[in-house]
Amino acid sequence: DIQMTQSPSSLSASVGDRVTITCRASQSISSYLNWYQQKPGKAPKLLIYAASSLESGVPSRFSGSGSGTDFTLTISSLQPEDFAIYYCQQSYSTPRTFGQGTKVEIK
Amino acid sequence: QVQLQESGPGLVKPSGTLSLTCGVSGGSISSSNWWSWVRQPPGKGLEWIGEIYHSGSTNYNPSLKSRVTISVDKSKNQFSLNLRSVTAADTAVYYCARASLGSHWDYWGQGTLVTVSS
Repeated sequence: DIQMTQSPSSLSASVGDRVTITCRASQSISSYLNWYQQKPGKAPKLLIYAASSLESGVPSRFSGSGSGTDFTLTISSLQPEDFAIYYCQQSYSTPRTFGQGTKVEIK
Repeated sequence: QVQLQESGPGLVKPSGTLSLTCGVSGGSISSSNWWSWVRQPPGKGLEWIGEIYHSGSTNYNPSLKSRVTISVDKSKNQFSLNLRSVTAADTAVYYCARASLGSHWDYWGQGTLVTVSS
């Protein structure tokens, strides 16, 4: 199985801050990397697919980059509605695997 | 707009079988997508259970493969999950989702909590 490791596990930030979350795969997954946002009691929501493609309807302050084993999700200016848990997920091979999540909290 | 809706019992006894169905509306289950089950134990992260294509082809998580069956009913535009020999460790919110072109999950059900308890 491909292991996905996110860092940090949690972070505190203020509205307007630039936030960066990192995801590392245990082997190369090319660009088969997706990012999801999950709020309490809700299903995950797709933000970024194929490492850097913005899902339709997702604000442009979200961006993704990387390939191979190292990937980044960036929120350029954190908004109140962005406080949530973020997960990376690889779609390079089965079993599909997720990172452990990064909780973004209000500072 | 594609919508997915999970249905099934919210309580299952230990050693029993967890059975859920995901109804798909606003799109055809025979489209070029895979249909998946993902679960999330309370307060924990996400775990992929498996997926099915409308042809009936399946992929399962090896950690659950011996206990899982995913099936599709094209006439009802739905797919189902059976998880056998459940224990308390199978207590989770179960989500169904569409894997667009088998890659990324772009549509999700709202999730259903299944508790394994006597």
